[in-house]
Amino acid sequence: AQSVTQLDSHVSVSEGTPVLLRCNYSSSYSPSLFWYVQHPNKGLQLLLKYTSAATLVKGINGFEAEFKKSETSFHLTKPSAHMSDAAEYFCVVSERSNMLTFGGGTRLMVKP
Amino acid sequence: DGGITQSPKYLFRKEGQNVTLSCEQNLNHDAMYWYRQDPGQGLRLIYYSQIVNDFQKGDIAEGYSVSREKKESFPLTVTSAQKNPTAFYLCASSMNSQELTDTQYFGPGTRLTVL
Repeated sequence: AQSVTQLDSHVSVSEGTPVLLRCNYSSSYSPSLFWYVQHPNKGLQLLLKYTSAATLVKGINGFEAEFKKSETSFHLTKPSAHMSDAAEYFCVVSERSNMLTFGGGTRLMVKP
Repeated sequence: DGGITQSPKYLFRKEGQNVTLSCEQNLNHDAMYWYRQDPGQGLRLIYYSQIVNDFQKGDIAEGYSVSREKKESFPLTVTSAQKNPTAFYLCASSMNSQELTDTQYFGPGTRLTVL
């Protein structure tokens, strides 16, 4: 069975400082992993996707994530936060076709 | 413009009434999905359809029904049997290709409030 845990429900950073959103997963197979972002009252937008190619995945808006099989982690990072990055972020795992399991979400707050 | 549309954006319903949420896509995707999102939680799968005229229950299908008569459309009916229907409902679609996992693309959501 697949599962995903987002280790922080809230993260607060200052504008211009690095962002780290942590995600650990559990899967019986080689999973696909995703990060999605959701702005208030909006749908989800795909940030990036890992599917067993390069372990460092680059996404939109300067975000990237590294797949670490030994640690079963897929943390999301960005070197410098922008005010527009304030949103909710979801880590998602899938080990079989089209069935996604969502983490509980991490709310990112960016202080000026 | 290609994408997924959901209507209405906000919906209010009295207890005991059925209500239907619309989801339309012009991405030519085969697969479509309905999710429910509650405050502070991730998404949970209600129903999904991988092809026209076929659909499957997800993790929380009780109190919901769907139809898939056209490739572009996957309406969700929230019935009076759903005990706690107030939530944010998200529709998604994907290609249903031979990849391990297709990327799902999401609509803007419908916020349903039961009064």
